[in-house]
Amino acid sequence: TQLLEQSPQFLSIQEGENLTVYCNSSSVFSSLQWYRQEPGEGPVLLVTVVTGGEVKKLKRLTFQFGDARKDSSLHITAAQPGDTGLYLCAGLLGGSQGNLIFGKGTKLSVKP
Amino acid sequence: KAGVTQTPRYLIKTRGQQVTLSCSPISGHRSVSWYQQTPGQGLQFLFEYFSETQRNKGNFPGRFSGRQFSNSRSEMNVSTLELGDSALYLCASSPFQFTGGRTEAFFGQGTRLTVV
Repeated sequence: TQLLEQSPQFLSIQEGENLTVYCNSSSVFSSLQWYRQEPGEGPVLLVTVVTGGEVKKLKRLTFQFGDARKDSSLHITAAQPGDTGLYLCAGLLGGSQGNLIFGKGTKLSVKP
Repeated sequence: KAGVTQTPRYLIKTRGQQVTLSCSPISGHRSVSWYQQTPGQGLQFLFEYFSETQRNKGNFPGRFSGRQFSNSRSEMNVSTLELGDSALYLCASSPFQFTGGRTEAFFGQGTRLTVV
């Protein structure tokens, strides 16, 4: 059973379109992180959200943490080909189970 | 500040052999975690080391082991390799132990292991 469900699994859009990626769980996380990974490279941290209801913006990327700290979303406005990559959400359970739990990722392709 | 360094980048091994992968964390970071990434399962947690002690372990067989040295560098060992061990092995460093609940992982580029 996947603890963190990410959707959609694949997304292919045209440059200039908007998109949203979802990350859902039945578990409560002490924090949630979003990463972007390019082929042959390790994931690169984009943002960390820690407070329920928190919204963080990073240029054209908007990240939201659910009020109950069980879900999160990533919204990209006016996508560009440079946004292409694998987007991963990762939740930190904290306590004695402290390790990052990753979703399986959303593979985004933005065509010019 | 130098990032997380993993060596080697690529490795081809034969079934039954053993392999050792190395990870040098960001200077000052004391936590090192290891992950296995495959297309089917995504990123799966192997173990975390902090101050030379294994603090947490994922659901992998005993063939997977690791250690951390006093300078925080870490090694991961896989014995009796199986075809299914082919994967990208990622190391992540963090300034704090993950059981604290408020830390972040910084990943290396990974070691691509192919078992033939």
